[in-house]
Amino acid sequence: GIQVEQSPPDLILQEGANSTLRCNFSDSVNNLQWFHQNPWGQLINLFYIPSGTKQNGRLSATTVATERYSLLYISSSQTTDSGVYFCAVGGQAGTALIFGKGTTLSVSS
Amino acid sequence: DAGVIQSPRHEVTEMGQEVTLRCKPISGHNSLFWYRQTMMRGLELLIYFNNNVPIDDSGMPEDRFSAKMPNASFSTLKIQPSEPRDSAVYFCASSPVGMISGNTIYFGEGSWLTVV
Repeated sequence: GIQVEQSPPDLILQEGANSTLRCNFSDSVNNLQWFHQNPWGQLINLFYIPSGTKQNGRLSATTVATERYSLLYISSSQTTDSGVYFCAVGGQAGTALIFGKGTTLSVSS
Repeated sequence: DAGVIQSPRHEVTEMGQEVTLRCKPISGHNSLFWYRQTMMRGLELLIYFNNNVPIDDSGMPEDRFSAKMPNASFSTLKIQPSEPRDSAVYFCASSPVGMISGNTIYFGEGSWLTVV
């Protein structure tokens, strides 16, 4: 099956810093999503981005499908950005997502 | 929209007891997924349904686990008998397959299960 690797596993930042999270996957995919799991355990969908670039406020994501990686950028980080960021990939519509192990982000004030 | 609704939110049960977790997907979504999250194994897919039909249950750990989707608005995940190693957060998620917005998957808040 598809392998998903995320890096770095852990990231500690001061408030206001920028960061880049990476997701590598082992096969071509039709579905790629980034999720944020907050300290209360809720999984929030950030981006549906099987290819191209999207931006939402301080967050943006880029997927280069031909090279099998995706990047999540967080600018001007805030303490509320803390949590675990997951990359998840999948095939055809209606198939399930396979999750990476996540990047744990801690932002301190 | 109320989102994906799961119940119970928290359950503590004794080893050997039956556990039933429930899920109501977002109205109009035709794919439903059950995931389990543990520290050791991360987020792993247990089973998913398309149009109420189970498509892939290869992630169901053993015969003690079963899942049903009797209609488009309800699904259950049952563990019988439960064991301490089943302790985890169980997430239900749904997705609107085929829409222009793509295959965005929406998660419920999870059912936190502790088996003692």
